[in-house]
Amino acid sequence: AQSVTQLGSHVSVSEGALVLLRCNYSSSVPPYLFWYVQYPNQGLQLLLKYTTGATLVKGINGFEAEFKKSETSFHLTKPSAHMSDAAEYFCAVSDSGGSYIPTFGRGTSLIVHP
Amino acid sequence: NAGVTQTPKFQVLKTGQSMTLQCAQDMNHNSMYWYRQDPGMGLRLIYYSASEGTTDKGEVPNGYNVSRLNKREFSLRLESAAPSQTSVYFCASSAALNTVETQYFGPGTRLLVL
Repeated sequence: AQSVTQLGSHVSVSEGALVLLRCNYSSSVPPYLFWYVQYPNQGLQLLLKYTTGATLVKGINGFEAEFKKSETSFHLTKPSAHMSDAAEYFCAVSDSGGSYIPTFGRGTSLIVHP
Repeated sequence: NAGVTQTPKFQVLKTGQSMTLQCAQDMNHNSMYWYRQDPGMGLRLIYYSASEGTTDKGEVPNGYNVSRLNKREFSLRLESAAPSQTSVYFCASSAALNTVETQYFGPGTRLLVL
């Protein structure tokens, strides 16, 4: 079975500050890992994903995430927050040994202050 | 190319009423999914369809039925709505199951059951 834990249901940062959204996963086989973003009243869209290879993954809008197997983590970062980054962010894990269907975390709401 | 479309956008039902949520995709994807999103719960899978003609239960299937009408369309039916089914419902599609193809999400249907 696979699971995802997102630490912090809300994260608040100032515009221009570092964004760090935490995600830890549990998987019995090598995982595939994803970050999705959901803007208000919209569906989810993929920010980035890790499958195999390079552990530092770059996504859209300046976001990146690093897969750390020893820490079972896949934290999302962005060097400088922008007001437009305010949204809900979901980490997800899927099982490389079975179906693709991801298991989602509970989400972290990013609040950006001017 | 509209991606994934969902109708209706909003719906209010009384307890015991029935309704069907419609979903269509124009990306020629094989796999389609229905999720519900509740505050603090993330996304939970209701049903999915790996390919035309097949459907399978997800994490929370009770109270729902689905129909994969053709490759493009995947509908979700509530036969007798209950207040516990108040939620935001998302349809998604992907090229195939058992791969790491990206899921594409529709804009959601907001359902209130009184």
